[in-house]
Amino acid sequence: AQSVAQPEDQVNVAEGNPLTVKCTYSVSGNPYLFWYVQYPNRGLQFLLKYITGDNLVKGSYGFEAEFNKSQTSFHLKKPSALVSDSALYFCAVRDSGGSYIPTFGRGTSLIVHP
Amino acid sequence: KAGVTQTPRYLIKTRGQQVTLSCSPISGHRSVSWYQQTPGQGLQFLFEYFSETQRNKGNFPGRFSGRQFSNSRSEMNVSTLELGDSALYLCASSLEVRTYEQYFGPGTRLTVT
Repeated sequence: AQSVAQPEDQVNVAEGNPLTVKCTYSVSGNPYLFWYVQYPNRGLQFLLKYITGDNLVKGSYGFEAEFNKSQTSFHLKKPSALVSDSALYFCAVRDSGGSYIPTFGRGTSLIVHP
Repeated sequence: KAGVTQTPRYLIKTRGQQVTLSCSPISGHRSVSWYQQTPGQGLQFLFEYFSETQRNKGNFPGRFSGRQFSNSRSEMNVSTLELGDSALYLCASSLEVRTYEQYFGPGTRLTVT
């Protein structure tokens, strides 16, 4: 069965510092990977996705993620954090070798301190 | 372009009743998915529709059902409500299934008393 793990419930970072939100996955086939962000009192918004091709994917608001097949990871990164980046971040995977049902991680709360 | 809309936004029901939630996808999107979000279980996939056909179903009891209409609008129904059904129900639309990103609505907050 496919699964997604976000090992950190919360990540704290100072404004201006680089940030990383971790995600690892388990699928039987090739993964389709997604990152979403949920701001307080707002719906989930799409940030970026990896389907195939270049392992480094660039997305909205200056975020990027690196697909690492050997480590089955898809960590979300940003070179310089903003206070406005504070939100709940979700990693999701679909298994191309399975039913394609989307599985979401539990979410990581990112807190950027001024 | 208008986003995904869900109605109603808030709902209070009593155990044993049934409820119907509605979702209108972004214009041109043919796929609609439903999720249940709770503090304890996180985001759990309910079902996914494409061109009026259910393409995938999550691990939920048969009390949870859905459908999609020819205009891509979707409804989900929960019968014989239980206290544990209290949750935020999210609808998401995408151009197609599988490789396409989803656009989420604001959700319907269901409280079962």
